[in-house]
Amino acid sequence: AQRVTQPEKLLSVFKGAPVELKCNYSYSGSPELFWYVQYSRQRLQLLLRHISRESIKGFTADLNKGETSFHLKKPFAQEEDSAMYYCALRGGSSNTGKLIFGQGTTLQVKP
Amino acid sequence: GAVVSQHPSWVICKSGTSVKIECRSLDFQATTMFWYRQFPKQSLMLMATSNEGSKATYEQGVEKDKFLINHASLTLSTLTVTSAHPEDSSFYICSAREWDRIYNSPLHFGNGTRLTVT
Repeated sequence: AQRVTQPEKLLSVFKGAPVELKCNYSYSGSPELFWYVQYSRQRLQLLLRHISRESIKGFTADLNKGETSFHLKKPFAQEEDSAMYYCALRGGSSNTGKLIFGQGTTLQVKP
Repeated sequence: GAVVSQHPSWVICKSGTSVKIECRSLDFQATTMFWYRQFPKQSLMLMATSNEGSKATYEQGVEKDKFLINHASLTLSTLTVTSAHPEDSSFYICSAREWDRIYNSPLHFGNGTRLTVT
């Protein structure tokens, strides 16, 4: 079964502190992993995906197949990073594969 | 960038009536759209996958006769909540896939529709 687990509902850090939002997944095949972000009163938007190995807004995430994890990291958090973050997995055919979301983690960056 | 428009943003209806929610891809063609439901402070739960020109694929536990999905064109999918009840009150979000040539297609999300059934 496909499952995405984000163990932390809320992560609160001070500005400038490092951030790591945890994500673990369960999938028998070769997954595609994504991080989506939802700022206050805005729609869900793609932050980054493992396949492109990019860094967006200072965030990076590495797929660790051995640990089945895709943790999101940023070395120095900014107040504007405060938002809801969802880890998502796409399995099955890339032509029709649906996205399964984790429970979400609220990141709160304090001044 | 790719935009998905969802309408209405919020709707209040009486128990027993039906409500239609529209999801449009504004500047790209979407062969596949997904409908999600989100309860307060919870994650997005996939309800169904909508494919243009064919029947929708529903997730386990989602009543297809209650949540009617129509994907008549490459830019429009609709979700109709039939005979709505208060327990159907929720936040419904659609998303659409855009094909790009380099990577597998990303998903773009609508702003969501807040449905309140009284």
